[in-house]
Amino acid sequence: KQEVTQIPAALSVPEGENLVLNCSFTDSAIYNLQWFRQDPGKGLTSLLLIQSSQREQTSGRLNASLDKSSGRSTLYIAASQPGDSATYLCAVPLYSGGGADGLTFGKGTHLIIQP
Amino acid sequence: KAGVTQTPRYLIKTRGQQVTLSCSPISGHRSVSWYQQTPGQGLQFLFEYFSETQRNKGNFPGRFSGRQFSNSRSEMNVSTLELGDSALYLCASSHLLAGGDEQFFGPGTRLTVL
Repeated sequence: KQEVTQIPAALSVPEGENLVLNCSFTDSAIYNLQWFRQDPGKGLTSLLLIQSSQREQTSGRLNASLDKSSGRSTLYIAASQPGDSATYLCAVPLYSGGGADGLTFGKGTHLIIQP
Repeated sequence: KAGVTQTPRYLIKTRGQQVTLSCSPISGHRSVSWYQQTPGQGLQFLFEYFSETQRNKGNFPGRFSGRQFSNSRSEMNVSTLELGDSALYLCASSHLLAGGDEQFFGPGTRLTVL
């Protein structure tokens, strides 16, 4: 069964800094990996989906990389802004992926960007 | 394009009661998955429905059940509520089966059991 770990659990940085969030998973046979953000008391917003055949995906100031062989993904946030403050979660399919499945999530990284 | 909607947004129940939550997926999406989020356990998968059939189920007791209608809308039901069922319940939809497609989440239903 897949397990996902996110480090660090919390991070506080000044506005404008570039930062990296880490995600590791135990079973490298994933079909895809998805990054989300969650604002307090709200639902999840999809940020990036990386297919297993891809090594990275970019959206605006966000860049996510995937290294299946080492069981790791990183989310890079460039030029951070106070509006980036949220909890960031990574998720992979629970089992084999690609079919009927649920996602297994890390506990998230709680990010605070200081103005 | 409208996102995933969930109703009600907030619910307060007492122990022993039952509750039904509703989820309307993005138009054209056929897969609906349900998750429970608590501070201690984080996000945990409940079940997935695709074309009115339950395709996968997480490790939850039989008090948790669901169904999906022909228009892809889904409901989940929790019977004999316990204090530990207090949580944010989230649903997600996707065009294809959940394991192979991007998931889009609704705002959640906050359930409080007293």
